[in-house]
Amino acid sequence: ETGVTQTPRHLVMGMTNKKSLKCEQHLGHNAMYWYKQSAKKPLELMFVYNFKEQTENNSVPSRFSPECPNSSHLFLHLHTLQPEDSALYLCASSQVQGNIQYFGAGTRLSVL
Amino acid sequence: GENVEQHPSTLSVQEGDSAVIKCTYSDSASNYFPWYKQELGKGPQLIIDIRSNVGEKKDQRIAVTLNKTAKHFSLHITETQPEDSAVYFCAASASNTGNQFYFGTGTSLTVIP
Repeated sequence: ETGVTQTPRHLVMGMTNKKSLKCEQHLGHNAMYWYKQSAKKPLELMFVYNFKEQTENNSVPSRFSPECPNSSHLFLHLHTLQPEDSALYLCASSQVQGNIQYFGAGTRLSVL
Repeated sequence: GENVEQHPSTLSVQEGDSAVIKCTYSDSASNYFPWYKQELGKGPQLIIDIRSNVGEKKDQRIAVTLNKTAKHFSLHITETQPEDSAVYFCAASASNTGNQFYFGTGTSLTVIP
């Protein structure tokens, strides 16, 4: 495995639910990322944390809320999502921002 | 910002043949180009990368070439095997954009036994 673990692997939620995605890395890295992967589209960078500080927010709707309590853990809090938010959400980490990124297996999210 | 285009979107080859995937980028400041392989049910994994100060890099059956003037780079897989079947993504990054990775749309490679 890559050393980046994401849970849950699959999630089905209604538009009124609140859920959270979790990412944990065991690589001693200092940067963590959230990406959205949709069919036939490039990976979309959502958020970047470098040394626990958010350094990138690529115009992501406020219904997605990231949290980085420490360099090893990253969360993505979800609320009032839309069906078009259904996608594979990937977490990645790197030694510092800009270095080689190592990806988790992703959470497959379905919004009904 | 950077725009990375990747072709083809799908590619089928016979086992033992070579496969080539091509990417172009728009930002001349891009200086790092990784390639990722994503197998079904898994996240992307780095398979090879190249920096702008070299034109070619090899690792066993995999090679990457970079043409900075034309702003394109390619992945070459020789002697393909069924386990090479996966989706391959190219990416480009530049220090002047915070080293953000800009990804291509992916190439689904199928190696036919």
